Amino acid sequence: DADVTQTPRNRITKTGKRIMLECSQTKGHDRMYWYRQDPGLGLRLIYYSFDVKDINKGEISDGYSVSRQAQAKFSLSLESAIPNQTALYFCATSPAQAGKSYNEQFFGPGTRLTVL
Amino acid sequence: AQTVTQSQPEMSVQEAETVTLSCTYDTSESDYYLFWYKQPPSRQMILVIRQEAYKQQNATENRFSVNFQKAAKSFSLKISDSQLGDAAMYFCAYRRGIQGAQKLVFGQGTRLTINP
Repeated sequence: DADVTQTPRNRITKTGKRIMLECSQTKGHDRMYWYRQDPGLGLRLIYYSFDVKDINKGEISDGYSVSRQAQAKFSLSLESAIPNQTALYFCATSPAQAGKSYNEQFFGPGTRLTVL
Repeated sequence: AQTVTQSQPEMSVQEAETVTLSCTYDTSESDYYLFWYKQPPSRQMILVIRQEAYKQQNATENRFSVNFQKAAKSFSLKISDSQLGDAAMYFCAYRRGIQGAQKLVFGQGTRLTINP
């Protein structure tokens, strides 16, 4: 079974609709992230969470909100979707540092979102 | 703010040949980590190799190696004996080294094509 899962894998919606993308992980990691991938721009950070009570904006948080329902779940919402939010969205996790020099981020399979 | 630049949107190489993907970054930090991620058509983000800035020795992982030039802020990826399965998007990424700052900053990506 995949350690980081995202649902749905693909979604087509219309302008103005509310959309929620979900991420779940079984890795037991404290830290979770949402990234957006656009052609020619790479991945950019939307929001990140260090634990259930610690949520922070990334570089492109406008138009998005998040919810950390539990250590294992981190959801991304588009309250009123617009076409320029069409992109590939990735969830990632990482363990909190505990004396180790660095930690890898583990990515989910991505959600392809199209806003018409 | 840190930035990562990949100046080669596309590269191609003959199977079994060697190819080098370029990456430059800008930071005022002295403690950081650099990564190369591979994204095949499946969309999955796969960590290829990582480099700690404090290490002078270049990282290697089988056919993958890096040329880390800290003073020049350059971090190139060399793929030896290219295989058809190496065809993918490759992203260079930067992460600050201090605890609590595990956000990744990505470059724009380089699409690598392997010609049989």
